[in-house]
Parts: sequence; structure tokens; C-alpha cells
Amino acid sequence: EAQVTQNPRYLITVTGKKLTVTCSQNMNHEYMSWYRQDPGLGLRQIYYSMNVEVTDKGDVPEGYKVSRKEKRNFPLILESPSPNQTSLYFCASSSGAVGNQPQHFGDGTRLSIL
Amino acid sequence: RKEVEQDPGPFNVPEGATVAFNCTYSNSASQSFFWYRQDCRKEPKLLMSVYSSGNEDGRFTAQLNRASQYISLLIRDSKLSDSATYLCVDNQGGKLIFGQGTELSVKP
Repeated sequence: EAQVTQNPRYLITVTGKKLTVTCSQNMNHEYMSWYRQDPGLGLRQIYYSMNVEVTDKGDVPEGYKVSRKEKRNFPLILESPSPNQTSLYFCASSSGAVGNQPQHFGDGTRLSIL
Repeated sequence: RKEVEQDPGPFNVPEGATVAFNCTYSNSASQSFFWYRQDCRKEPKLLMSVYSSGNEDGRFTAQLNRASQYISLLIRDSKLSDSATYLCVDNQGGKLIFGQGTELSVKP
């Protein structure tokens, strides 16, 4: 089954404790992306990647890091999480290198930073 | 001004009504557009792509007006199951900008 898998689905942690949210897709998609969704602000892109070893900043990259060492994986890293990073996070992938094809979203990760 | 703007609603309509949403974008170089629907903080799902010539999929019609820089979504014969938040998306060469979403509630 074609899918985008995020882990964990839920996480409660404390300020400053490094964490990684994994994202994996099995569709051989070139394009992958991370978003956060907050009430009243909609979905905002954090980082995106058009292919292996190619990453670019989205609208809200501050406080986040990503890597794209393999085509299927695109982890999101919070080196020193802070409460303002409490949010609902979505990973997505699409075919084509510039995101011109429909995005396939993972189920989301609810992150709470205390 | 936000790069992509939508009326947040909510739009409350009776079953069978026709409802239209607009979405304005500010970047004249934007390349492609989509409409997604999202149910109650679940993952967004593609509703339809938006083509320059306009496109229709059953009860849904999407239009793009490049001169005025807006896209629209028309839903005919609304169903209860159409209740959701509708997100427009502007693709700026790989960087995707989402509107904040328009909430639709279809009542019996």
C-alpha cells in the first residue's frame, strides 16, 4: 500500500530535549516536505526536499533541521525544542521534483513541548 | 498581506445548496494550484488540481483567474459529507504556500 509513515504519532516532551520525528514514503517520490499546523494559521511549510541531498527552507524553518540522505526518508529534527513548537506536524511526499503533483500526507504527529 | 488568503468562514449551507470559495494569491509567478480538503485535523487530502482552463470533477469545479490572481472552488448539490475545511495551495517552484482554510458546514 502506498503510504507516508510518520513516527511517533504523539509525543509529550520537555524543553531542550532533542527529538526526531521520522518520515518514510514507499512511493519512490522525489519531493518530500514537512508542515506544521496551528489554529488560525493553517498549514505552514517548514522544509522541503526536491531530491536526495537537496533541502530548502519553507516559511517557518527556525528551530528545525532536516536531512535527506535516502530518497524514502526525510526526518525532522528539533535540536532544542521549545514550547512554541507545540503543534501538529505533517510530512508529505509527491512525485516530480518541484511539488507540482498532489501531495500525499502522513497521518500527522502531535507534539507537545512542556 | 498574506501570500495566500482565504475567507475562513464558516460557511453554513443547507444540503443541496451551491457554495463557492475564493482564494487569492499574491505571487504572480506561482506555477500550480490545488484544492485539498481536511477533516477535523486529520491529514489533508487532495480534492482537485486547478488548471488554467478550469476543470470539473463531478459536483466540484475549479477555476483559475491569473489576471486577478485568484482561484475558486464551486460545490454543487452540497452533501452532508462535504462538511470539512477546504485548503487552497499555491506552488511557488517547490515552496508550497497553504491558505488558512475555509470551513464548510452542510446542514440537513
